[in-house]
Amino acid sequence: EAGVAQSPRYKIIEKRQSVAFWCNPISGHATLYWYQQILGQGPKLLIQFQNNGVVDDSQLPKDRFSAERLKGVDSTLKIQPAKLEDSAVYLCASSVYSTPTYEQYFGPGTRLTVT
Amino acid sequence: AQSVTQLDSQVPVFEEAPVELRCNYSSSVSVYLFWYVQYPNQGLQLLLKYLSGSTLVKGINGFEAEFNKSQTSFHLRKPSVHISDTAEYFCAVILEGAQKLVFGQGTRLTINP
Repeated sequence: EAGVAQSPRYKIIEKRQSVAFWCNPISGHATLYWYQQILGQGPKLLIQFQNNGVVDDSQLPKDRFSAERLKGVDSTLKIQPAKLEDSAVYLCASSVYSTPTYEQYFGPGTRLTVT
Repeated sequence: AQSVTQLDSQVPVFEEAPVELRCNYSSSVSVYLFWYVQYPNQGLQLLLKYLSGSTLVKGINGFEAEFNKSQTSFHLRKPSVHISDTAEYFCAVILEGAQKLVFGQGTRLTINP
């Protein structure tokens, strides 16, 4: 079974530029999560999708971050414009069901450096 | 608000020695508890979880954890570590009725030969 795929693996941009990350979850997983992991901290949930609907985006900085999951499969997370404090690893995870007690399967992440 | 505290940011141990990684949470309601492991340049992987029942939970790779409600702890243990256990370990919690995982800040386990 293929795991969660993310691209790119690494990205370096200057502040005020825009960037997009892509995630392909495990086939058949209805729930998709985006997490932000700042160096030295644990992952923080940014947004959760159930199929193509948003379940929780309470911690997504909506003035600069946006995410979509068209057709309930792949997802894209965008930052525009980027700030220095956005430097982090962005993790995508998927799960069979939306109930969070079910195991979440994580991708390898995209490491973003904003200079 | 719920929070998870991992008391040690780094834990160095020798190969084949026992290890305990500490995790405490703050909540007055029921919780679900998890340990995830992150190997270098990889995503997180579930080690074990406590939802209900026996307070001693066994996971993959020889790890186990014990839920202690009175001490609000969920410490992770392994009786004998290997070089391959070198990784970052994250404790996480879900409040009963809540919908998301809250992670601790992580403990970096380093195994010395």
